[in-house]
Amino acid sequence: NAGVTQTPKFQVLKTGQSMTLQCAQDMNHNSMYWYRQDPGMGLRLIYYSASEGTTDKGEVPNGYNVSRLNKREFSLRLESAAPSQTSVYFCASSELAGAGWVYGYTFGSGTRLTVV
Amino acid sequence: AQTVTQSQPEMSVQEAETVTLSCTYDTSESDYYLFWYKQPPSRQMILVIRQEAYKQQNATENRFSVNFQKAAKSFSLKISDSQLGDAAMYFCAYGWNRDDKIIFGKGTRLHILP
Repeated sequence: NAGVTQTPKFQVLKTGQSMTLQCAQDMNHNSMYWYRQDPGMGLRLIYYSASEGTTDKGEVPNGYNVSRLNKREFSLRLESAAPSQTSVYFCASSELAGAGWVYGYTFGSGTRLTVV
Repeated sequence: AQTVTQSQPEMSVQEAETVTLSCTYDTSESDYYLFWYKQPPSRQMILVIRQEAYKQQNATENRFSVNFQKAAKSFSLKISDSQLGDAAMYFCAYGWNRDDKIIFGKGTRLHILP
């Protein structure tokens, strides 16, 4: 089915370990986003990419890096995981560059990450 | 700064009844959109309804409708004939044209009582 695919769905890391969350969309969308969801905090933007080759920081970028590998893929990397990064991570995309605010996003199913 | 506030962390409604979820937002922008997203236990984020700030007519999608009060900066979601499948976390969200980003409220967890 067309949509946004995130891998893995669940992950447990030890403090200090690194990992990359993968995201791919097959809808030919231009803009892609990474959010984290924490209880009582809603969804907060980590990074976004308005188009292939561009990335920008969101509200909570510290401790993360991103790569827009091509139009389909947008990965999120934790270089040295900390317990504060325990969260559910969502990748999302929107059809037109600069138009996510109009049409809303299509979301992946999320990755539950636990850092112990 | 733009903010979105959902003042009801949890709500309950009897099956087949009507429930209204509240949302207020703060902005100095004139061109923006508002959204309601549903997140069922599956964790998937589903767009329920959206409203353009320039349109006075309230958006409707089947049993879901909004009450958009622009002057009051209020955007509530009404769910009619509540069904067990409506049980979920609901997020109010705001997007504006200066940045291609959407900001979310903290969510309201809706319980449906059989």
